[in-house]
Amino acid sequence: DAGITQSPRHKVTETGTPVTLRCHQTENHRYMYWYRQDPGHGLRLIHYSYGVKDTDKGEVSDGYSVSRSKTEDFLLTLESATSSQTSVYFCAIRQGHTGELFFGEGSRLTVL
Amino acid sequence: TQLLEQSPQFLSIQEGENLTVYCNSSSVFSSLQWYRQEPGEGPVLLVTVVTGGEVKKLKRLTFQFGDARKDSSLHITAAQPGDTGLYLCAGGGQAGTALIFGKGTTLSVSS
Repeated sequence: DAGITQSPRHKVTETGTPVTLRCHQTENHRYMYWYRQDPGHGLRLIHYSYGVKDTDKGEVSDGYSVSRSKTEDFLLTLESATSSQTSVYFCAIRQGHTGELFFGEGSRLTVL
Repeated sequence: TQLLEQSPQFLSIQEGENLTVYCNSSSVFSSLQWYRQEPGEGPVLLVTVVTGGEVKKLKRLTFQFGDARKDSSLHITAAQPGDTGLYLCAGGGQAGTALIFGKGTTLSVSS
């Protein structure tokens, strides 16, 4: 199994503040993803990356930006957090030829 | 836009009962995956099906991919409390595209 570490695991912040979530992988996988999970909405794709400096938007990308300067790190940034961005955020890497995902343990973000 | 509809949304049963969870779409998928998620953790892959009509078994869990590759089902025989969790189906399109997830089925098995 690939090693994925998400940090921080829990964060409480105030509306309008910037927030960065980090996803670190140890096995050099090319594809990395950021999802958010909310009750009633399931897992929704925010952004994904298919290589260093190569990223693309998902279905709920507004208010989020990402960066991937190294293969092992994929950063998700909320430039100015809003209460609607309170959620659990999951990072995932792609494994296998049919796109199986291996998920991190999640980062719970609360925006007051 | 590809969508995956899962049903039922919630399921509460007694230990020993059988159940089936459905995952339906109007779109064709190149593969269909099932994940299980426990509280406070990320989803974990259970199985991938890629061929229309394919059936895979994982102990008491049976997964089937529809002939047209638009739907899938998960059947659990003699459910146990350890089966409790959120079950998610996810569809894969063309190579390199991101998976589309259903909203999930929350299963509770009581002893």
